[in-house]
Amino acid sequence: GENVEQHPSTLSVQEGDSAVIKCTYSDSASNYFPWYKQELGKRPQLIIDIRSNVGEKKDQRIAVTLNKTAKHFSLHITETQPEDSAVYFCAHLASNTGKLIFGQGTTLQVKP
Amino acid sequence: DTEVTQTPKHLVMGMTNKKSLKCEQHMGHRAMYWYKQKAKKPPELMFVYSYEKLSINESVPSRFSPECPNSSLLNLHLHALQPEDSALYLCASSQGGTGGYEQYFGPGTRLTVT
Repeated sequence: GENVEQHPSTLSVQEGDSAVIKCTYSDSASNYFPWYKQELGKRPQLIIDIRSNVGEKKDQRIAVTLNKTAKHFSLHITETQPEDSAVYFCAHLASNTGKLIFGQGTTLQVKP
Repeated sequence: DTEVTQTPKHLVMGMTNKKSLKCEQHMGHRAMYWYKQKAKKPPELMFVYSYEKLSINESVPSRFSPECPNSSLLNLHLHALQPEDSALYLCASSQGGTGGYEQYFGPGTRLTVT
């Protein structure tokens, strides 16, 4: 139960539009869900995370929602800007090993 | 200091060479990680050190040898690598032991094996 599925694999939006990336996991005991942004040639950067005791967390233009019953969590970016263009990885903490399990990534392109 | 640093930034080595990658953090984090990342793929966990002891080895070939000299430093010794080992090697750290804490990544070492 360590897999996480991430969709879509690529996403292209116009500047100013919203972007939503969704991940589904199977480990019902998992309680920590981070999102990383990785620009080309750079390190993965933690941009927001959520723990299982809350359903939503917001930080300026980004928000994460968590539905523990359905076992999915989503990243929402509003008023997208060209500098939001990057690969975004969701992850969850496997409850039995303590390892971060990553999704396959979403390449977001924001067109000016 | 809120950063994880890695040296070197780039490394080119032949299949018979021996080299080492270095990672350092001064955030007081007690868990440190090595990941391997291929282009457009997620990071793959290789090793985890928790309180300076190796706690996870993801069945990594013995040509990769990790070392944690103290709570701030993490090394990855490389020997007799294969071309398919070419990748970005990322170090990360987190507060406390493994699990439940934010992991912060270093900038990585871009390794090319010729």
